[in-house]
Formats: sequence, structure tokens, C-alpha cells
Amino acid sequence: EVVMTQSPATLSVSPGERATLSCRASQSVRSNLAWYQQKPGQAPRLLIYGASTRATDFPPRFSGSGSGTEFTLTISSLQSEDFAFYYCQQYNNWPQVTFGGGTKVEIK
Amino acid sequence: QVQLVESGGGVVQPGRSLRLSCAASAFTFSSYGMHWVRQAPGKGLEWVAVISYNGNDQKYADSVKGRFTISRDNSKNTLYLQMNSLRAEDTAVYYCAKDADIAAAAYYFDDWGQGTLVTVSS
Repeated sequence: EVVMTQSPATLSVSPGERATLSCRASQSVRSNLAWYQQKPGQAPRLLIYGASTRATDFPPRFSGSGSGTEFTLTISSLQSEDFAFYYCQQYNNWPQVTFGGGTKVEIK
Repeated sequence: QVQLVESGGGVVQPGRSLRLSCAASAFTFSSYGMHWVRQAPGKGLEWVAVISYNGNDQKYADSVKGRFTISRDNSKNTLYLQMNSLRAEDTAVYYCAKDADIAAAAYYFDDWGQGTLVTVSS
């Protein structure tokens, strides 16, 4: 099983500031990595796939980068609607796809 | 807009069974692989099972293999998850999720239902 480790567990950021979230895989997953945003009481939403391709619903302030074992999700200027949980998921080693434990982005 | 609506959750005793359903609309259901993903209360996400677009192939997480069965009825645009021999650790919100790729499963998920809560408790 590919273990996905996200850091930090909680990120406290002021509106307008930049947020950088990390995701590390226990073995290479190439670029087969997705990011999801989840708000309390809601289903996850696909944010990024292929490590860096942004889903159409999300604005350009969200960007993804990385390949192999190290990945980053950057939110360039946090808006109030961006405070949420973020999960990474590898889909290279299917069918046993795995998610990271999540990062909570909260208001500082 | 894609819509996925789960139903069938509830409280069930350990060892008993439950069947979840997911009604799909606003896309060509028979062209996409479909998944179940679960989330224990206050925890992260765990992939559970996938079924191919035509229902001919199913795969499961090790944690549910032999106990859960995924199926679909393309004439009814509905996905199912039959859960047998339920355990306390199966307690979670169960989401149905549409695979992002048409026909061949990509194993990431571009549309999700709102989920249905399954609680396994005596």
C-alpha cells in the first residue's frame, strides 16, 4: 500500500495570505495525484488532478505541483471560502488508491 | 449537472447486513466506472470499491473484501453496495463517486454524492 502523508495537519492562515500544503508518497506515484477540497458537512470536490491540472470549478489561485513522491498544493491568496480540509490521493497504484490524512486550513 | 444521491444508510448491529443505493442522473451512467468511498466520523477518506462501466469487473479494498459487494443496474442508473458481516469499524459516511475517465477507470473522482451514514453498533 502506498502511504500518503500530508503536512501540516492544521495550517492557520490570514485571509489574503499564501498557503502551502504538502503531500508525500511512500513510493513514486509519478503524476497520478489528485487533491480534493472538503468543507464541513459536505462531500469532497475534485480540485487538482494529474498533480497540476486544476478542475474547472476552481479559480487560478489554486495550483498544484510535484511528481514522484513530493507534491504541493498552493493557494496564492486565501479567500474566506477556501477555509476547508484538503486531501491528496494517489491513483497510480490502482485499485488500492489511497488518501492522505488531510490538512485543515483555518483562519488565523 | 451530475447528480448522485445515496440512500440506505442507518443504524445496524454488528454482524448484520445493509444495502446502499446511489441514484445517478444528468450523465451517461453506463459509460463510467463508479466507486464507493467512505469516511469514518472525524477521519479521512478511504476508497472502498469500484465497478466497471458495464458491471463486468469489480475490485475492493482489502478491509472489505469478501464482505461487501458492489453492483450496478445501468437500466435504472443506480449503483449499489451490499454490506454483509458489518463491523464497528465500518461506521462511516459512504459516498458514491463517479470516475473521472469515461470507460476506462482512472481511479480519481470528479463527482460525489452527499453521502449516507452507516452506524454499526449494538
